[in-house]
Amino acid sequence: KQEVTQIPAALSVPEGENLVLNCSFTDSAIYNLQWFRQDPGKGLTSLLLIQSSQREQTSGRLNASLDKSSGRSTLYIAASQPGDSATYLCAVFTDQAGTALIFGKGTTLSVSS
Amino acid sequence: NAGVMQNPRHLVRRRGQEARLRCSPVKGHSHVYWYRQLPEEGLKFMVYLQKENIIDESGMPKERFSAEFPKEGPSILRIQQVVRGDSAAYFCASKGPLTPSYEQYFGPGTRLTVT
Repeated sequence: KQEVTQIPAALSVPEGENLVLNCSFTDSAIYNLQWFRQDPGKGLTSLLLIQSSQREQTSGRLNASLDKSSGRSTLYIAASQPGDSATYLCAVFTDQAGTALIFGKGTTLSVSS
Repeated sequence: NAGVMQNPRHLVRRRGQEARLRCSPVKGHSHVYWYRQLPEEGLKFMVYLQKENIIDESGMPKERFSAEFPKEGPSILRIQQVVRGDSAAYFCASKGPLTPSYEQYFGPGTRLTVT
């Protein structure tokens, strides 16, 4: 059974710092991995999607890497801003014929100005 | 374009009452997923529906929970005889008929509180 773990559960940093969020999954046979952002009272927004054949994806100040063989992904946020404060969720999709995303519990990030 | 809409956004029910949660997918989307997020937990898949069909209900509790997606109107997640343990955020997601299952668009969620 696939399980997704995110470390740390919470993180507080001052504005301007670079930071790394970690995600691990128990079964390396995944189809792809996504990082989502969840703001209080709002839905989830997909930030980055990495296919299983890819090693990383970049969007602006965000960079996500994937090491499928070791069951790990990281989300790197450069030059953090207060507007980055949110909960970041990692989710895996297990196979092309699959149905559901399997989520971790998330990392709640707080960036202070 | 309106995204996924869920209502109500907040719902309070007493133990034993029924809760009905509604989800209107993105226009043109014919597939709906329901997820539940318990306090301090990640989102957990509950059910996947197409119009008038349940495709996968492997995550649905065996009793008291049901879901439908009629030909017309929103998808409904129904919880009968609610208990305190049902207090959670319920998220709906939708996708188009030809897009892969991992491309799901999420709504803002309904926060259910059972008193």
